[in-house]
Formats: sequence, structure tokens, C-alpha cells
Amino acid sequence: DVVMTQSPLSLPVTLGQPASISCTSSQSLVHSDGNTYLSWFQQRPGQSPRRLIQRVSNRDSGVPDRFSGSGSGTDFTLRISRVEAEDVGVYYCFQGTHWPALSFGGGTKVEIK
Amino acid sequence: QVQLVQSGGVLVKPGESLRLSCVISGFPLSGDFMSWIRQTPGKGLEWISYISESGDRIWYADSVKGRFTISKDNGKNSLYLQMNSLRAEDTAMYYCARPAFSSIDYWGQGTLVTVSS
Repeated sequence: DVVMTQSPLSLPVTLGQPASISCTSSQSLVHSDGNTYLSWFQQRPGQSPRRLIQRVSNRDSGVPDRFSGSGSGTDFTLRISRVEAEDVGVYYCFQGTHWPALSFGGGTKVEIK
Repeated sequence: QVQLVQSGGVLVKPGESLRLSCVISGFPLSGDFMSWIRQTPGKGLEWISYISESGDRIWYADSVKGRFTISKDNGKNSLYLQMNSLRAEDTAMYYCARPAFSSIDYWGQGTLVTVSS
């Protein structure tokens, strides 16, 4: 099974400053169809996860453009250009390439300093 | 508007059984894969089962195989998870979710299952 490893575990950030979360997979996430099925989810306190980005860098509708995703192969990054108070929560990466055992990263908790 | 509405939380004893339900509105269950995902403080988010549109393809994680059964009723647009022989380590928030294009686009609100004597 593919293991997804995120870092850091916790990320204290000053409001208005950038933040970056790393996600590494134990196998390449390039699918035989040529796509890379790496998604990012945000989970605010007390809520269900919400998708922010799919296929590495495609923002979902309604997601602020301060969120961006990048990467390829086994290394991926979620960036927040200027952290706002509403961004507090836990962020997860997710691989949808290797069926049937899809998998999540362990999560990164973003908090305000 | 898509909604996935799950049944309420429950406390059960080890060895007991429980069925979770998820009522879907906004799209026909007959046209999509559906899945169950659980979340624990210790193991994070865990993809535990999915069922195909027609129900002919079903998969379980090793952690629940042989004890949990996923099913659906297209007429009621509802997804179910029958959980037998529950253990303390099955204590978790359980989410129904729609996997689409190898990602997950919709989640239920979650059902908290506590297994304790």
C-alpha cells in the first residue's frame, strides 16, 4: 500500500505570512492514464474535510486563490500565500492513484501564532 | 444541491453490531461509487470500504475485512455500513463520501461510534 507522509506535524503561522506543507508518497502517483491523483483537504475544527485541490494543482470552486498546490511524482506541496484566521485547521493530502487502497497523509495542523 | 446525511452517533459494547446509514440527495446513487472513511486521533483518516455504482465491486481494508459489510439501496438512495464484532479500536468518526475522478468531492457530516464496555 502507498504510504503518504506529511510534514510538519504542526505549523504555527503569523497572520498574513505564508505557509507551506509537504507531502511525500512511498510510490509515484503518476497513473497509467497520465494523470497524478493527488488531492489536498482542509478540515476545520468540528467539520468534515473539504477538498481544496485535486490533481496536484487544480483548485476547487470557491477555494481562495491564496491556496496553491504543486509537485510531481512522489513530492507535493500545498502553499498558503497569506494565512488568514479562517485557515486554521488540519490539512491532509490524499492519493487516488493506487486503487483499491487509497490513502491519506497523517495531517498537518495549522494554527495562528 | 448535494447532501449526504448520516445517522446519529452511538455507544456500543465490544462484540456488538451496528448499522450506519447515509442518505444521499442531489445525485442518484446508482451512478456513482460510494465509500466509507473513518477518522481516529491515533490513525488519522482511513479509507475502509467502497462500493461501485452497480454494487458488483466492493473492497474492504484489512482492518475491517470479514466484520464490516458495505451495501446500498438505490431506490432509497441510501448507503449502509453493517459493523459486526465491534472492537474498542473501531471507535472513530465514520464518514460516508463520494469518490469521483480518483478524489473525494462530497462528505457526510460524520457519525461518532464509540465502542466501550
